Amino acid sequence: AQSVTQPDIHITVSEGASLELRCNYSYGATPYLFWYVQSPGQGLQLLLKYFSGDTLVQGIKGFEAEFKRSQSSFNLRKPSVHWSDAAEYFCAVAPWGTGGGNKLTFGTGTQLKVEL
Amino acid sequence: DAGITQSPRHKVTETGTPVTLRCHQTENHRYMYWYRQDPGHGLRLIHYSYGVKDTDKGEVSDGYSVSRSKTEDFLLTLESATSSQTSVYFCAISGGASGAYEQYFGPGTRLTVT
Repeated sequence: AQSVTQPDIHITVSEGASLELRCNYSYGATPYLFWYVQSPGQGLQLLLKYFSGDTLVQGIKGFEAEFKRSQSSFNLRKPSVHWSDAAEYFCAVAPWGTGGGNKLTFGTGTQLKVEL
Repeated sequence: DAGITQSPRHKVTETGTPVTLRCHQTENHRYMYWYRQDPGHGLRLIHYSYGVKDTDKGEVSDGYSVSRSKTEDFLLTLESATSSQTSVYFCAISGGASGAYEQYFGPGTRLTVT
């Protein structure tokens, strides 16, 4: 079974600083990978996804993520953080080729705080 | 935003009572999912549906049942609520133009079992 590890429970950055949130997965093949963001009291919003092809993927709100097969990682990055980026971020994995519908496995989340 | 609503949005109930949560979608997506979110655990899949009357168990299905009699509605029932089922419950859908693998989430239902 697949698993996802987000090693940082909390991260604090200053507004305007760069951001990297770590995500490592365990799976026997290349999975489908996702990053979601959750603002307080809200549902989850899809930031970006990786299915295949270019290992650097762009998402919404200026976020990007890089898939590194050798490290089983899919880290989320943003060059300059805005105060509105404060939220909880979840990495998720779905097994490849399950033929439709997927059972996402989520990491435990990273809470991002932005200092003004 | 995907057309997903959940009802109720908040509920407080007593131990031992049955509870039903409703997820309604207007997107005509084939797949629907129920997750629970707890601190330190992220989101965990309870049950999912791959079509009308077609459902299957997820990671944490004990104590829960589901039904899907129409494409747009997916019900989650706690047969006899326990305090360990206090959680935030999210419904998700997939299977539209973006494919089966992209899931879109509803706003959540906060359930407290006293």
